[in-house]
Amino acid sequence: DQQVKQNSPSLSVQEGRISILNCDYTNSMFDYFLWYKKYPAEGPTFLISISSIKDKNEDGRFTVFLNKSAKHLSLHIVPSQPGDSAVYFCAASGRGGATNKLIFGTGTLLAVQP
Amino acid sequence: DTAVSQTPKYLVTQMGNDKSIKCEQNLGHDTMYWYKQDSKKFLKIMFSYNNKELIINETVPNRFSPKSPDKAHLNLHINSLELGDSAVYFCASGLGLLPDTQYFGPGTRLTVL
Repeated sequence: DQQVKQNSPSLSVQEGRISILNCDYTNSMFDYFLWYKKYPAEGPTFLISISSIKDKNEDGRFTVFLNKSAKHLSLHIVPSQPGDSAVYFCAASGRGGATNKLIFGTGTLLAVQP
Repeated sequence: DTAVSQTPKYLVTQMGNDKSIKCEQNLGHDTMYWYKQDSKKFLKIMFSYNNKELIINETVPNRFSPKSPDKAHLNLHINSLELGDSAVYFCASGLGLLPDTQYFGPGTRLTVL
C-alpha cells in the first residue's frame, strides 16, 4: 500500500526551463511534506519542506506547492540547471502515530539537458 | 566534516553470516533512524531511536538488531544474512521533534551472495 506516490519515474527538461515534479498521497493524517534530492552513491539530501498549514514554500529556485484537497504536492525548479540532475524523492509524515516516520515516494529521475 | 557517516560503504558477504553497519552523527540530534532501499528503490524506515531508546520498529525480522551506545551512534547488526537482505541501508538523524527534517548518511550497499 503505497501512501506516497510519484507517478513519473523520469523527467527530462532543457536547461533554463522549469522542472515540475509531482507527488500524490493518500493518508489525510500527513501534515508535513519534504523533498529530498539524491545523487548516485550518495544519501538523500534535504531540499525543501512544507507544513500542511501552508500551500506554498519558496527557497531560491525551489518552490513547493501543496494542494490538500487534492492530496497533491509539486516541486518547481526555476530555472533548471544541469547540476539539478538527480533523483527527487517526495516524503510525508504525520502526527497520527506521534512518530517522525517519513514515508517516501519511489522517486523521479530528473535529467536537465544543457 | 561529515554530518552523518556510515561504515562500511560497501559490504559483500555470504549467506548465513553476521555483519554490522555503524552510523555516527555529529549534528547533536536526539533521534537516529535506519532506512532500507531495496532493488525497486523503495526507501522504507526500519528503526528509530530517540536518546538511545527504541521508538519505531517497523516489523523488521528479529535478525536485525539496532544498538545505540549513545545518542550520536546507532549501529545495525544483522544475523544470519539472507539473499533478500541485499539493499542499500541508510542511516539518518533528526531533532526528534514533530515535524522533523531528517539528514541522511551516504548509505551502505550490502550484497549477500
